[in-house]
Amino acid sequence: DIQMTQSPSTLSASVGDRVTITCRASQDIHSWLAWYQQKPGKAPNLLIYKASRLESGVPSRFSGGGSGTEFTLTISSLQPDDFAIYYCQQYNSYPQFFGGGTRVEI
Amino acid sequence: QVQLVQSGAEVKKPGASVKVSCKASNYPFTTYGITWVRQAPGQGLEWMGWINPDNGNTNYAQHFQGRVTMTTDTSTSTTYMELRSLRSDDTAVYYCARGTTVTTKWGQGTLVTVSS
Repeated sequence: DIQMTQSPSTLSASVGDRVTITCRASQDIHSWLAWYQQKPGKAPNLLIYKASRLESGVPSRFSGGGSGTEFTLTISSLQPDDFAIYYCQQYNSYPQFFGGGTRVEI
Repeated sequence: QVQLVQSGAEVKKPGASVKVSCKASNYPFTTYGITWVRQAPGQGLEWMGWINPDNGNTNYAQHFQGRVTMTTDTSTSTTYMELRSLRSDDTAVYYCARGTTVTTKWGQGTLVTVSS
């Protein structure tokens, strides 16, 4: 199984900050990685797929990068609506594990 | 717009089974797989597996093998996830989502509480 490790687990930031979340895979997953945002009491929402492709309707301040085993999600200028938990997920092989999540808080 | 609507909350005793439904609308049901993901209270997301509504093929996470069954009813565009031999640590919100790799649309979630 491919394990996914996110860091940090919690990130404190302010509106307007540039923030970066890292996701590491235990094996090469090429670019088969997605990022999701989850707000309290809601289902996750797809932000990025294939490591760097922005899902339709997602603001351009979100960007993804990386390949192989190391990936990043960057928010270029944090907005009040962005305070949430972010998860990476590999879909290179089954089971399609998620990372443990990164809480972005004020 | 594409919608996935799940059945309501359930309370079950340890050892019982639960069957959660997920009704799809506004897209050709058999053209996308359905993935199930659960989330225990205050915890992260756990991938359970998926089903292909077109042919009924399934792929379950090893952790759930032997306890989970996913089925579909194409006449009603509904997918079902049954989990048996429930334990207290199965208490979670269960989500269905459209897609078998990237999941682009999610149901609202179904809270399953396992308690004696």
